[in-house]
Amino acid sequence: GQSLEQPSEVTAVEGAIVQINCTYQTSGFYGLSWYQQHDGGAPTFLSYNALDGLEETGRFSSFLSRSDSYGYLLLQELQMKDSASYFCAASPMDSNYQLIWGAGTKLIIKP
Amino acid sequence: DGGITQSPKYLFRKEGQNVTLSCEQNLNHDAMYWYRQDPGQGLRLIYYSQIVNDFQKGDIAEGYSVSREKKESFPLTVTSAQKNPTAFYLCASSRQGGNNEQFFGPGTRLTVL
Repeated sequence: GQSLEQPSEVTAVEGAIVQINCTYQTSGFYGLSWYQQHDGGAPTFLSYNALDGLEETGRFSSFLSRSDSYGYLLLQELQMKDSASYFCAASPMDSNYQLIWGAGTKLIIKP
Repeated sequence: DGGITQSPKYLFRKEGQNVTLSCEQNLNHDAMYWYRQDPGQGLRLIYYSQIVNDFQKGDIAEGYSVSREKKESFPLTVTSAQKNPTAFYLCASSRQGGNNEQFFGPGTRLTVL
């Protein structure tokens, strides 16, 4: 089967750096995406890794290692507004459109 | 402005009634999706459509129905057969290929009394 696993909750301090991990079991996929969802809101796209390595977008970076079946989202200089749930999602090769979603990680930021 | 709209934002229904949730997009995307999200949980796929007049069941299609008569529209009907319909419903769309980025509507929070 295909599945992605994330920690259910991560706590960090404002101004710090936090890493949210995503391990997966899929038969083959094009890439790994990350989405952010604030309470009561809709998910919004953050980043996409098609290749192994690090992709940087401002304070957010995402990493993928296919050999380790592992990816992570790195958030730097944490701000209170970063408190949200973060989802990893894989684009499976046997479907041109679908995403396989992780269960999400709730990020709690303390002042 | 391009985007996805869902209406209404909040919906209350009595048990045993069918209810239809609206989803419209003007992004010219081929694919559209319906997800269900329960409190503190992830997204579960109900139905998806890759092209007009075609749709496929997702992981939790029982008790739901959809139609895709127009590229822009993908309404979801929650039927009385859905045993626990109270949830947050999200509609999304995406274009073919690329990074499969999905664009989401604001969601409809359905409460069945």
